[in-house]
Amino acid sequence: NAGVTQTPKFQVLKTGQSMTLQCAQDMNHEYMSWYRQDPGMGLRLIHYSVGAGITDQGEVPNGYNVSRSTTEDFPLRLLSAAPSQTSVYFCASLGDRGYGYTFGSGTRLTVV
Amino acid sequence: LAKTTQPISMDSYEGQEVNITCSHNNIATNDYITWYQQFPSQGPRFIIQGYKTKVTNEVASLFIPADRKSSTLSLPRVSLSDTAVYYCLVGYTGRRALTFGSGTRLQVQP
Repeated sequence: NAGVTQTPKFQVLKTGQSMTLQCAQDMNHEYMSWYRQDPGMGLRLIHYSVGAGITDQGEVPNGYNVSRSTTEDFPLRLLSAAPSQTSVYFCASLGDRGYGYTFGSGTRLTVV
Repeated sequence: LAKTTQPISMDSYEGQEVNITCSHNNIATNDYITWYQQFPSQGPRFIIQGYKTKVTNEVASLFIPADRKSSTLSLPRVSLSDTAVYYCLVGYTGRRALTFGSGTRLQVQP
């Protein structure tokens, strides 16, 4: 099915570990973004990309890196995990105007 | 970035019409207004998008006044399954970041 696929769905990390959250979309969308959502809170933009090879920072980029080597993939890297990064992470892509974002199902990350 | 302001929460009863207003005073000429719905443990889901006047689809209507500094999402005859958080998003693609506001938590009672 067409859409945004995120892996893994759940992850537990120890403080200081690094990892990559994967995001892939098969809709040929140019715009992709990563959000984090803390319990009971809204979504905050981490990084976004308007096309392959182009990325930029959002509201809360510290501690995260991204790259966009292909249109389909937009991985999010945690450089050195901290308990403050415990959150649910959503990847989203945006296609033609009028149809809004398509979100992935999220990755629930716990840093201990 | 166009910031948005919404009520934190609203309560309603099944069968009623619910109107959620979003303020976006610094909306830009190219910005569209989009509303999303989010259930617990799920990503947000697109509801409706508009630029001006009124837009209607099978689930909601969106009213935008001429100055575009606010918008109102209207949900007709809500049911228990409409209990969710609703987000107003203002922006456009290109090279601008799109950010979500804090959302409105709608609780529908039987």
